[in-house]
Parts: sequence; C-alpha cells; structure tokens
Amino acid sequence: EPEVTQTPSHQVTQMGQEVILRCVPISNHLYFYWYRQILGQKVEFLVSFYNNEISEKSEIFDDQFSVERPDGSNFTLKIRSTKLEDSAMYFCASSEWTGAYGYTFGSGTRLTVV
Amino acid sequence: DQQVKQNSPSLSVQEGRISILNCDYTNSMFDYFLWYKKYPAEGPTFLISISSIKDKNEDGRFTVFLNKSAKHLSLHIVPSQPGDSAVYFCAASVRGTSYGKLTFGQGTILTVHP
Repeated sequence: EPEVTQTPSHQVTQMGQEVILRCVPISNHLYFYWYRQILGQKVEFLVSFYNNEISEKSEIFDDQFSVERPDGSNFTLKIRSTKLEDSAMYFCASSEWTGAYGYTFGSGTRLTVV
Repeated sequence: DQQVKQNSPSLSVQEGRISILNCDYTNSMFDYFLWYKKYPAEGPTFLISISSIKDKNEDGRFTVFLNKSAKHLSLHIVPSQPGDSAVYFCAASVRGTSYGKLTFGQGTILTVHP
C-alpha cells in the first residue's frame, strides 16, 4: 500500500537553529499538508499546499515557517529559528483530491527543541 | 479552538463488546466527518467517514452515526477486538471552501481487554 514517508523520525535541535523536516508524499497525490501535535494536545492543522503554492494556513504558521516542494517528489517544512514551544510531532499528509477522505498521513517526525 | 470535542479521554471495553466513541462539534459549516485511529509512533490512519447528507455509514465492524441537529457523531465498533486498542480521533472539514483542512478532537484512548 502506498505510504507517506517522513524523515527523520526524531530530530533534536538547539533553540534558534533552523530545521527542515522532509516528507515524500504518495506519487499521484496533488494536495499536501503539514499538521503537528504537541504532547498531550490535539493534532493541529498547519498548512495545505497545492499547485506549488500555499492554499491555506493556520495562525500557527507564521513567518518562521515555510514549505516547499523543491523537486516534484519531496515536500519540506522549514522552521527558521526554532523555539522551545515548537517541540512536537509533525505529520505530513497527502491526498489525491480535496475532501479529506483521501488523506494519508506519514508516521511523523518528533522535533525536540532544547 | 474547541470546534471539535471528544469529552471522554479514555474508554475501556471487554473483547467482543461494543465500543462507542463520541464526538461533538460546534461549527455548523462542517460538512464532512472522519474518524482516525492512531497507534504510538505512527501517523493517524483513516477509518471511516460520513458526509453531512447522511446519518449513518457502515464499514465492517465500524459504524459512524451523525446527528446534525445535536452536532454529535459517534463511532461504534462491534465486536471490539484487542487490536482495536489505540487512540481514536474525530475530525471534521468544510469540503466546499477548504483545501482539505481537518479540525481534530483531542482523541479518546480505547483499551480493549481480552
């Protein structure tokens, strides 16, 4: 069964450093998403991406965050200057069309900011 | 943001019995609802969904019921199996205006005892 692959599975970074979380969506999917889950809290929407541009973003997704699909297969989330409160599980997801029922999530990257 | 709420943090059920997980929402614009299951160290996995034009959808052991007037949905698992033990998330979306953004509840930990 096709999978969404996320790397690394765990990343530890110092506060203020830049991190890039990587995702390989399912190959025929057109819509891409990042979500995060802070420990003990809800899974929260960060951003959706379609046709090489952001289609929707949450208030969490401020100027410190950016997304990119650099080469047609990878989909990355960059945090420019990490803060302690960015520590969370970050999930990438992709879907063939909108409507959410085609969503497939990756296994997540656990980001720990120290 | 409490648009989707799962008021029971945990549920414990005996194998073979029915598990009923509940979810309430406040945003009347939601028109599509989903249930996801999540094991530790994995991403959420899609289980079953329901459109707001229906009040019931069945898939094997899983049935989702939607009561629009009460803004309430529930997931029934019959019969429950130990392998069903996981965190269950209710999620909702507005398909017409959103590029697939999902709003999640807090999750309910289901434990099925042999």
